[in-house]
Amino acid sequence: EDQVTQSPEALRLQEGESSSLNCSYTVSGLRGLFWYRQDPGKGPEFLFTLYSAGEEKEKERLKATLTKKESFLHITAPKPEDSATYLCAVQGFSGGYNKLIFGAGTRLAVHP
Amino acid sequence: SQTIHQWPATLVQPVGSPLSLECTVEGTSNPNLYWYRQAAGRGLQLLFYSVGIGQISSEVPQNLSASRPQDRQFILSSKKLLLSDSGFYLCAWEGLAGLGQYFGPGTRLLVL
Repeated sequence: EDQVTQSPEALRLQEGESSSLNCSYTVSGLRGLFWYRQDPGKGPEFLFTLYSAGEEKEKERLKATLTKKESFLHITAPKPEDSATYLCAVQGFSGGYNKLIFGAGTRLAVHP
Repeated sequence: SQTIHQWPATLVQPVGSPLSLECTVEGTSNPNLYWYRQAAGRGLQLLFYSVGIGQISSEVPQNLSASRPQDRQFILSSKKLLLSDSGFYLCAWEGLAGLGQYFGPGTRLLVL
């Protein structure tokens, strides 16, 4: 069964304190791994798609990496505006359609 | 560019009342459309998906139904709401497989 586990559940950082969020997954043939940012009361905002082990994507202070079993979202020198819940999802080739399996998310709080 | 709309943004309904949530997409043709529900502190649960007009697939048996009367319109309905139907409902669209799903702003439903 396809599964996604994110850790930690919550993370508190000081402004400028770099850290990483983890997304461990099991999937029957990975079509893609997706990272989203979700602010309270809003829909998830698409950040990155990763397709194969060794791939990396960057956007401002965020960098996503992928191995065969997990993905990391590295946050470099975070700012308070980076505070949000970060969601990871995988899409496999099974099921006949493009189902996304989501993790429960990591709540990130960055304090000045 | 593509945009996705959901309404209403917030809804408070009594138990046993009907429900209709609407989702529309602009700027794309023949998208795959999805309805998700997000419970507090939990990941997104896929409810329904559609690959075309009149084509609806259900992920889990429940008190809800979905319809797609037009290419870019997706409706979530219920004849009689239950307390357990409360949650944050998200609509998403997808173009080509593997390129990610893009979410609307969501509808907060509270059943009392």
